[in-house]
Parts: sequence; C-alpha cells; structure tokens
Amino acid sequence: AAGVIQSPRHLIKEKRETATLKCYPIPRHDTVYWYQQGPGQDPQFLISFYEKMQSDKGSIPDRFSAQQFSDYHSELNMSSLELGDSALYFCASSSQSSGSYEQYFGPGTRLTVT
Amino acid sequence: SQKIEQNSEALNIQEGKTATLTCNYTNYSPAYLQWYRQDPGRGPVFLLLIRENEKEKRKERLKVTFDTTLKQSLFHITASQPADSATYLCALSYSSASKIIFGSGTRLSIRP
Repeated sequence: AAGVIQSPRHLIKEKRETATLKCYPIPRHDTVYWYQQGPGQDPQFLISFYEKMQSDKGSIPDRFSAQQFSDYHSELNMSSLELGDSALYFCASSSQSSGSYEQYFGPGTRLTVT
Repeated sequence: SQKIEQNSEALNIQEGKTATLTCNYTNYSPAYLQWYRQDPGRGPVFLLLIRENEKEKRKERLKVTFDTTLKQSLFHITASQPADSATYLCALSYSSASKIIFGSGTRLSIRP
C-alpha cells in the first residue's frame, strides 16, 4: 500500500539559510499535518491543512510557513534557520471524508542546521 | 495546564509476558485516544484508536482501554516478543481533523 512520502530525507543547512520540505500524502487523503520532533522529544504539532485550507495551527514559528497544493501535496518552508530548528520533521495524512481519524506518518526529514 | 503522562520512560519485561503501558491526562476532554509505535529515527506508526464512548478495543495481541472518568488509558501487549521493543506513544485528539497531542512515550524493551 502507498505510504506518505517525504523529501528530502536528510537536509543540512547553515544558520540563516532557508529550507523547503515536501510531503506527498497517501492517495485520496484530504488532510495533511506537520510535526517537529527534537532529539529525545515527542512529536510537536506545527500546522495542518484540510482540502488545501489551513485547519489548525500549533507551535509553528513565524519564520515557518506551509501550504497544501491542488494535488494535495504540502510544503513546509523554513526561513532564517536557527540551530534549534535541527530536528526530525514528520508529515502525516488522514482521510476526514472517509471518517478515518488515524494519522499515517511519513518517514520524516532529518534537518541539521550548522 | 494540559498534560499527558505515560507511566514510565522505560519498561523492561520478559518475553511472553504481558506488557501494560499507562497513559494519564489532565485538563483534556479528548474525543479520541490513539496509540502509536515509534522506532528510532522513524515516523510513528498507528496502532489503535479508541473513542470516548468506547471502553475497550482489541487488535490481535493489542488491547486498549479508555476510562474518561479516571482520565486514563491502558495499553496491553500480550505474549510479548522482542520485536515489540520500541517506544509507544499515547496521543489525544479532539476531532477527526484535529492535531494529535502526544505523550512523552514509554520505551518498551522485551528481553528474550
């Protein structure tokens, strides 16, 4: 079965640079979520989109923005990167329209800021 | 403040025994409670979801209970195997499309 795809899997950036993370949800899933997981931490919710509209917002810094496109893929844009942004970034998808509430996570993008 | 606590950071048990993990929450009234498994460096994997009006849910060797009065969920793995060793995350959500709020996880180790 198709899973959530994230790219790139690994990314190394320097402080103050920008990064773009991409997420391709499971086909026919209409909701995408972004989470950040620091070392030894639990995943923290950043932002979500339902049918291309932002549906919820968590502890996402103003330096970050995200959107969901017409093909349902989503991108997380991160600017003015800081050392503390180094983390695993997970995208998850679910299908609200089918009444299925569990979220399916991608393999994550490991971002290292030096 | 809102808090989700999982009984311990780490739990070690003998293969074949039942592992029981606890999730307690305060200042939440979640509609759904979910359990995920996470292996190092990988994304969480959905295991079970239980609704606020359900008491128990089972799936193969897994069982989840949900007590909204006690604000507690118990997660059981029967006939545990070394392959069950992983971090298990309790997670709460309020609606079908809402964010998941994760607990800090319990690292389960099953020794042969």
